[in-house]
Parts: sequence; C-alpha cells; structure tokens
Amino acid sequence: AQSVTQLGSHVSVSEGALVLLRCNYSSSVPPYLFWYVQYPNQGLQLLLKYTTGATLVKGINGFEAEFKKSETSFHLTKPSAHMSDAAEYFCAVSYYSSASKIIFGSGTRLSIRP
Amino acid sequence: DTAVSQTPKYLVTQMGNDKSIKCEQNLGHDTMYWYKQDSKKFLKIMFSYNNKELIINETVPNRFSPKSPDKAHLNLHINSLELGDSAVYFCASSQVAGVATDTQYFGPGTRLTVL
Repeated sequence: AQSVTQLGSHVSVSEGALVLLRCNYSSSVPPYLFWYVQYPNQGLQLLLKYTTGATLVKGINGFEAEFKKSETSFHLTKPSAHMSDAAEYFCAVSYYSSASKIIFGSGTRLSIRP
Repeated sequence: DTAVSQTPKYLVTQMGNDKSIKCEQNLGHDTMYWYKQDSKKFLKIMFSYNNKELIINETVPNRFSPKSPDKAHLNLHINSLELGDSAVYFCASSQVAGVATDTQYFGPGTRLTVL
C-alpha cells in the first residue's frame, strides 16, 4: 500500500536554528512528492514539489527538500527558522497512475521559540 | 480576489440535520476537490470533480453528496449529520484533471461542529 509517514507530530526549534521536518514514503514505484504548509485557521499552501529532474527542490520562504530514492525520503529543511514559520506542515505523495489523488501525511506542527 | 472561497467558515448544527457547504474557485481550473481534516489534522480526500464530472469518490458515507453546477463551483451536501462528521472541510482546485504533478489550491476551510 502506498503511504507517507512524517516522523514527529511536533517539532520545536529556536528562532535562527535549522528546521528539519522528516518525511518518508512507502511505495514500489517512484512518487511525486509535495510539501504543503497550513498556517493557523487557513487552508493549505504549496511550499514545494518534486516531480522529475534535480532531486534538491527549492520552495517558497527559504525552504528546500531533497528527494532521496535510496532512503525513500523527502525531508524538508530551512537553514534559519523565523517566527513566521510556525505552522502545520504536510508531506504528500501522488502517483502517475493515481491521477489527481494526493495522499497526505499526518502533519508536523512546527513551533518556533524566541 | 480570493482564489478558492468557501462558505460558511463556521457551521454549528444539531445531529440529524442536513447542511451544505459551498465552494467557488476563480482560477479557471478544471478540477475541484473536497477534503476532510479530522481533529488530529489528518487530511483525506473525499471527492474530486473534473468539469462537473465525478472522477474520485473515496469511501465516504452516501450521506455526503457533492454537486457541481459548473466547473467553478463544487458544493458539498451532508444529510442526517452525525457527531463523527465534525471536522474541517477543505475545498481545493487544480488546473487539469488526471495530472498527478498538478498543484492543488486550497480554500480556507469550513469548520463543522455537530452537537
């Protein structure tokens, strides 16, 4: 079965520190990979996505993620956290055969300490 | 100029009632979706429509019925509401149907509380 796992339902970092949010997928075929962010009381917004080509993907707000096929991972990073990064982050996958259907992970809440 | 809008933002109702949530997108997209986000933030697709035609229909009770009068609107009607229906419902849209790489644009959500 195809699934996506986010390790850590809650991550807390200090302002200015590195942000690392983990995502692993489980499937026998390569997926397309997404990170979405949900700010409080808002809908989801795409941060970045990997479809083909370069495995290091840069997104909005200074975030980036690297697709590592050997590790079946797509971890999200940001070198220096900002207070405005506090939000819920969702990793998601889709597959060529599944058309528009996206499978979301359970989310990771990122808190930023002053 | 909101891209994907939903009404109402909050909906509080009694068990057994029937209610509707409306969604409109002004992005010119062909495909629209309904998602349910539970109290643990788990987000799951319910339905997807492409140009008024149902293309994704997940295992959802038939008390839930989507209706798409045109490709810019996708409404969700829920009959005989139950406590377990309490959740945040998100509408989304994407440009083209059947493209797994397409970005989905989400509305702000409707928080449904069933008492």
